[in-house]
Amino acid sequence: KAGVTQTPRYLIKTRGQQVTLSCSPISGHRSVSWYQQTPGQGLQFLFEYFSETQRNKGNFPGRFSGRQFSNSRSEMNVSTLELGDSALYLCASSRYLDRRNTGELFFGEGSRLTVL
Amino acid sequence: DQQVKQNSPSLSVQEGRISILNCDYTNSMFDYFLWYKKYPAEGPTFLISISSIKDKNEDGRFTVFLNKSAKHLSLHIVPSQPGDSAVYFCAASPTDKLIFGTGTRLQVFP
Repeated sequence: KAGVTQTPRYLIKTRGQQVTLSCSPISGHRSVSWYQQTPGQGLQFLFEYFSETQRNKGNFPGRFSGRQFSNSRSEMNVSTLELGDSALYLCASSRYLDRRNTGELFFGEGSRLTVL
Repeated sequence: DQQVKQNSPSLSVQEGRISILNCDYTNSMFDYFLWYKKYPAEGPTFLISISSIKDKNEDGRFTVFLNKSAKHLSLHIVPSQPGDSAVYFCAASPTDKLIFGTGTRLQVFP
């Protein structure tokens, strides 16, 4: 079955612009989480959506936002981009919200954002 | 404030030998731990997990050990194979999300 699909895979923006990233989860998965990966910081949790509702949020400024649609697809948006936002943004989907099933997080290949 | 720490950014091991990847955590409320493996240009994939009610979990060549008193877990790969070369992330699960470490790049050479 199709895996988690993220678009675009690569993009370049300049400071002050905004960006929207898209994630299509595995069919039947209702939970979508977003992570930021930067060198030396590992995977930093951004937020998680389940059934169109944000269930949890990490420690990121309000410039980072997201949403989930009725078909479970999710988007994240970063406004007023800063150089430090350059990172790999990973989306992960799972069937359940229960954290005991977090081993069943399936990640996409990520969207690599470069801010100049 | 890094709650999950992988203090070795890289590790190099000869094929056939044991690879030991370490992870420390600070919050004693964490009670579920996972390891993920990541190849370049791919998303992380789940490898193995352990609950705090256990101190060891095995899956083939992979074994995870948990020392709750030391707040330390380790991943053992025996024997190591070139295909194991990847970045390994440990993660801890508190009530509602996964907290990842910074990763250790493992290189297995012939």
